[in-house]
Amino acid sequence: AQSVSQHNHHVILSEAASLELGCNYSYGGTVNLFWYVQYPGQHLQLLLKYFSGDPLVKGIKGFEAEFIKSKFSFNLRKPSVQWSDTAEYFCAVTSYSSASKIIFGSGTRLSIRP
Amino acid sequence: DTGVSQDPRHKITKRGQNVTFRCDPISEHNRLYWYRQTLGQGPEFLTYFQNEAQLEKSRLLSDRFSAERPKGSFSTLEIQRTEQGDSAMYLCASSPGRENTEAFFGQGTRLTVV
Repeated sequence: AQSVSQHNHHVILSEAASLELGCNYSYGGTVNLFWYVQYPGQHLQLLLKYFSGDPLVKGIKGFEAEFIKSKFSFNLRKPSVQWSDTAEYFCAVTSYSSASKIIFGSGTRLSIRP
Repeated sequence: DTGVSQDPRHKITKRGQNVTFRCDPISEHNRLYWYRQTLGQGPEFLTYFQNEAQLEKSRLLSDRFSAERPKGSFSTLEIQRTEQGDSAMYLCASSPGRENTEAFFGQGTRLTVV
């Protein structure tokens, strides 16, 4: 069965610090990978996605993620965070072939100190 | 405006009552998902539809839960004989259903069972 692990439950950073949030998935086949963000009081929004091709994908607001197939990982990065990045971040996976259900990780809460 | 509309946004009900939530997906999206999210957790998959067909239902869903999408457009999620443990945010999402597409989420319906 598919599963997603996010290792950091809560991350606290100062503005301008670099960010890396870990995500590992468990699935034997080809996958599509996503990072979603949920700002306080708002709905889930897509931050970035990987379907195929270049394993380094860029998303909105300066975020990027790298797909490392051998490590079953899809870590999210940002070189310099801002206070407005305070949110909850969810990694998600779905099967490439069937485009079926999307499985989410438990999320990482990111708090940025101004 | 995400395009996925959920109604109501909030629902408070007494234990034992039945509740029904509605989701209107983005127009022409033939795939529709229901998720449940509790505080500090990622969205948990409940069920999904391809047009009017319910393709998968999570083991998390007890017999008290039922979902329909009668004409392949809007969907309803009904919870019968609600319990306090049903208190959660219920999320709806839709996607075009093709490969390599992401899901778009609504604002959710927050259910509180008292």
